[in-house]
Amino acid sequence: GESVGLHLPTLSVQEGDNSIINCAYSNSASDYFIWYKQESGKGPQFIIDIRSNMDKRQGQRVTVLLNKTVKHLSLQIAATQPGDSAVYFCAERVGAAGNKLTFGGGTRVLVKP
Amino acid sequence: DGGITQSPKYLFRKEGQNVTLSCEQNLNHDAMYWYRQDPGQGLRLIYYSQIVNDFQKGDIAEGYSVSREKKESFPLTVTSAQKNPTAFYLCASSSWDRGNYGYTFGSGTRLTVV
Repeated sequence: GESVGLHLPTLSVQEGDNSIINCAYSNSASDYFIWYKQESGKGPQFIIDIRSNMDKRQGQRVTVLLNKTVKHLSLQIAATQPGDSAVYFCAERVGAAGNKLTFGGGTRVLVKP
Repeated sequence: DGGITQSPKYLFRKEGQNVTLSCEQNLNHDAMYWYRQDPGQGLRLIYYSQIVNDFQKGDIAEGYSVSREKKESFPLTVTSAQKNPTAFYLCASSSWDRGNYGYTFGSGTRLTVV
């Protein structure tokens, strides 16, 4: 069935270093992927998305990589800042199921000064 | 500004009571969703609605009910049948025109049973 999972529940990063958050998915029919950032007590906020016909997409300080061969998604944050401390969720969409996103369990990123 | 508004931010419920969480959006989005989030956990889908006057159960619908009488509004009622309702509830909306499938989330309602 559909499932989206994360390899690391908590990631500690030194300020200024790059962060890499990983996500595995199991549904080969997924056609769209999205990363969200959730700060404590708030709703998730969109970071970046990628369609299944792409393998890389870049935003401001963030890059998402998609490897369909091994069903793996990653989010790279360049020059991590204290404001990047949050929980990050990946989500996948199976187009045939309508616009329903399935969310992973989340990874907490802690930025050390 | 367009957005999605949840109210109240904090809600306390006594045992056996029904409570209703409000969700309103002015983004003209067709679809709306309710998620439950427990501490340190991911998001679990309760109910969703892709069009007015229609909604479907998600993965954990038992003990919850919804209505979608207006495009802008998707209230969630937590009934007394929900045995463990203490959680953070998130409402979201989406519109997949022009290929944008992402959700816009509200700021959440934290429900506590007292």
